[in-house]
Amino acid sequence: DTGVSQDPRHKITKRGQNVTFRCDPISEHNRLYWYRQTLGQGPEFLTYFQNEAQLEKSRLLSNRFSAERPKGSFSTLEIQRTEQGDSAMYLCASSLGSFETQYFGPGTRLLVL
Amino acid sequence: KQEVTQIPAALSVPEGENLVLNCSFTDSAIYNLQWFRQDPGKGLTSLLLIQSSQREQTSGRLNASLDKSSGRSTLYIAASQPGDSATYLCAVPSTSGTYKYIFGTGTRLKVLA
Repeated sequence: DTGVSQDPRHKITKRGQNVTFRCDPISEHNRLYWYRQTLGQGPEFLTYFQNEAQLEKSRLLSNRFSAERPKGSFSTLEIQRTEQGDSAMYLCASSLGSFETQYFGPGTRLLVL
Repeated sequence: KQEVTQIPAALSVPEGENLVLNCSFTDSAIYNLQWFRQDPGKGLTSLLLIQSSQREQTSGRLNASLDKSSGRSTLYIAASQPGDSATYLCAVPSTSGTYKYIFGTGTRLKVLA
């Protein structure tokens, strides 16, 4: 069990560019969450997958954001036409079942210039 | 709408002191409550998960209690150490029939050697 991994750990991009982040959950976990965290705040829910199905999506997730989890394994979060307000830490978590302990990855820190 | 508040926002204590962190939530119909630790610039580490039917959960020097009726949870840290310095976050599931978790803004703890 190597834990939840995220790639890249840091990303600097210019406004208007597209970025994609990857999350590899703990192998037997079929639930996967994406959160966004800004400085001094707790994580804010973005989206949730059960296996490959995206069951919930926050209103925070504008149409510039899309997430996938093909084959119910790794997940990707893409942000199109990035804006400075997208600068944040993007966290991924996985769990064995709904409402069970969530295990977080190290996060991807995004800076949009 | 579920809201989570953590008090105090920051706390500084000398090594060896016992301390209590507080978490309150507005809707008591929760499934469980989780406490996490976050080191600067890192992801979250799960500390304790208390089911709604439980009143307490213990792990080493940590003890978490849950009083659903009053919408409160406390995290007790015994004999604090400098290595306990971190931000402590609590989270509860949203009560609107979704899978998302709502986080507090955390208590930033500093234990002085």
